[in-house]
Amino acid sequence: DAGVIQSPRHEVTEMGQEVTLRCKPISGHNSLFWYRQTMMRGLELLIYFNNNVPIDDSGMPEDRFSAKMPNASFSTLKIQPSEPRDSAVYFCASSLGLSNQPQHFGDGTRLSIL
Amino acid sequence: ILNVEQSPQSLHVQEGDSTNFTCSFPSSNFYALHWYRWETAKSPEALFVMTLNGDEKKKGRISATLNTKEGYSYLYIKGSQPEDSATYLCASYSGAGSYQLTFGKGTKLSVIP
Repeated sequence: DAGVIQSPRHEVTEMGQEVTLRCKPISGHNSLFWYRQTMMRGLELLIYFNNNVPIDDSGMPEDRFSAKMPNASFSTLKIQPSEPRDSAVYFCASSLGLSNQPQHFGDGTRLSIL
Repeated sequence: ILNVEQSPQSLHVQEGDSTNFTCSFPSSNFYALHWYRWETAKSPEALFVMTLNGDEKKKGRISATLNTKEGYSYLYIKGSQPEDSATYLCASYSGAGSYQLTFGKGTKLSVIP
């Protein structure tokens, strides 16, 4: 079985540009999570979905960030306009949605905003 | 907001030594405690998920215990090997309102051959 698939693996873009990160969760998993990893703050939860519905977006840093899950097999995290401080590794993870089920992480997208 | 604390922040051990690290978390509204292993340039991989006070889990040379009443978990590695070098993350699952997994900053283990 394929794991969680994220694209692109690396993204370098200029400040002010729109950035879209993509995630395909493991088939059958009904919860999807977006995380950001930085040196200062470690791994932070940005938003998570259960059955394609956003449940908690309190971790989304500001209105420039938005996330969607139009169906069970696809999610996007969009930053518009991007800023240099958004540079980080963004991980997507999926799980069976229960607290006692492990999360399975994608390989991450390394984002650099110049 | 949960405070999940891990100690030590980093650790160097000799190959063959046994070691352990600590994860502390708020004990109220507790549902589950997760441990993940995170190798450099890879993504976190789940080791254990524990839910019950007194739980003990084992996978090969790695084991973990859970005390939900006092809010701590220990991860043990017996006979450390160089391939055990990684950052070990714990995360606490709280159900106060909405489910959220809050990660600690991790313990970075380096095993010296």
